[in-house]
Formats: sequence, structure tokens, C-alpha cells
Amino acid sequence: AQSVTQLDSHVSVSEGTPVLLRCNYSSSYSPSLFWYVQHPNKGLQLLLKYTSAATLVKGINGFEAEFKKSETSFHLTKPSAHMSDAAEYFCVVSDENQAGTALIFGKGTTLSVSS
Amino acid sequence: EPEVTQTPSHQVTQMGQEVILRCVPISNHLYFYWYRQILGQKVEFLVSFYNNEISEKSEIFDDQFSVERPDGSNFTLKIRSTKLEDSAMYFCASSVRAGNTIYFGEGSWLTVV
Repeated sequence: AQSVTQLDSHVSVSEGTPVLLRCNYSSSYSPSLFWYVQHPNKGLQLLLKYTSAATLVKGINGFEAEFKKSETSFHLTKPSAHMSDAAEYFCVVSDENQAGTALIFGKGTTLSVSS
Repeated sequence: EPEVTQTPSHQVTQMGQEVILRCVPISNHLYFYWYRQILGQKVEFLVSFYNNEISEKSEIFDDQFSVERPDGSNFTLKIRSTKLEDSAMYFCASSVRAGNTIYFGEGSWLTVV
């Protein structure tokens, strides 16, 4: 069965410092992996996705994530945090060998950015 | 940029009442979904819909829930007799086809009292 584990429920950084949001996945097949962001009172916005092409995936707003099969990880990083990055971040897995219709969400990591 | 739109943004209903949440998926998308997020919990898959029928559903999606595409643009989620535990944010989503990127709406916040 597929699952994702977000290792930190809350991460706090200062503006201008690097961001690291950790995610480990479990999947029997070749997974598609995503990071979604949810700003307060907003919907879920796709940041980036991995679908078995390049292992380093670049997304919007300067975020990127690296797929590491040996570590079953898909951590999200950004070199320099901005105040507007404060939001809830979800690591998500989809089993591409099935119909691919159901996404499995992690519990989310709340990112706080202080000035 | 095309987006998934949902109405209402917030609804308060009494326990036992029927609720219909409405969604307009992105126009060229063929797959439609409902997810929900109970306050403080994970986003959970409810159902996916393709070619006018349910293609996949979770254990949560019991007989109290139904989905419909009543016309060429709307996609609805009906909860027949709401319970307190149905209080959640309900997200509609769509994708061009299975396995493609899923785009989410801003959600409909349902409060059952």
C-alpha cells in the first residue's frame, strides 16, 4: 500500500535562510510524487511533481525536490525563504500503475517564516 | 489561467439535512475528483469520476454520498443526511486524464451543527 510520511509537522525558519521539508514515501510500484501548498483560506496549489524523468525537479517560487529511490525520499527545498512561503505543504504520492486517480496525502508540514 | 471553481465557499447546515456542493472543473478536463480535509487531519480521497461514472471511491464514500455531472460543466457532491463528522473542507479537483496533474479548487467549508 502506498503512503507518505512527512517527518515534521511544523518547520520554522528565518527569512532568507534555507527551507527543508522532509518526506518519505512507500509505494509498491513506480510512484508519481508531488508537493502541494495550501495558503490560508486558499485551495491546494501544485508546487512540483516527479514522474520518473529527472530526479531533481524544479517547481514554482524557487522550490525544488529531489527523488532518491534508495532513501525513498522526496524532500522539498528552497535556498532562501520568503515571508510569502508561510503555508501548509503536503507531500503526495500517486500510483502510476493503477488508474492513477487517487492521490495519497501526507499529514502536512506547516512552514512558518519569521523576519 | 483556467481554474476549478467551487460553490459555496462556506455552508452551515443542520444535522440530517441534505447538502449539495458544486464544482466547475477546468473545461477540457475529463477526470473529476472530490477530496475532503477534516480540521487538523489529512486531505483524504473520496471519489473520482470519469465518463459519467465513478471510477474509484474510498471507504469514506458510503451510501450517504453521491456525485453527479448534471450538465456539461458542473460536477456535484451530495451528502444525503449530514452528520456532525461530515464537517470538513471539501475540495473538488480535475485532471485532463488519469495520471496527469490534478488541479484543485479553493474548497467548500461545510459545518454541520
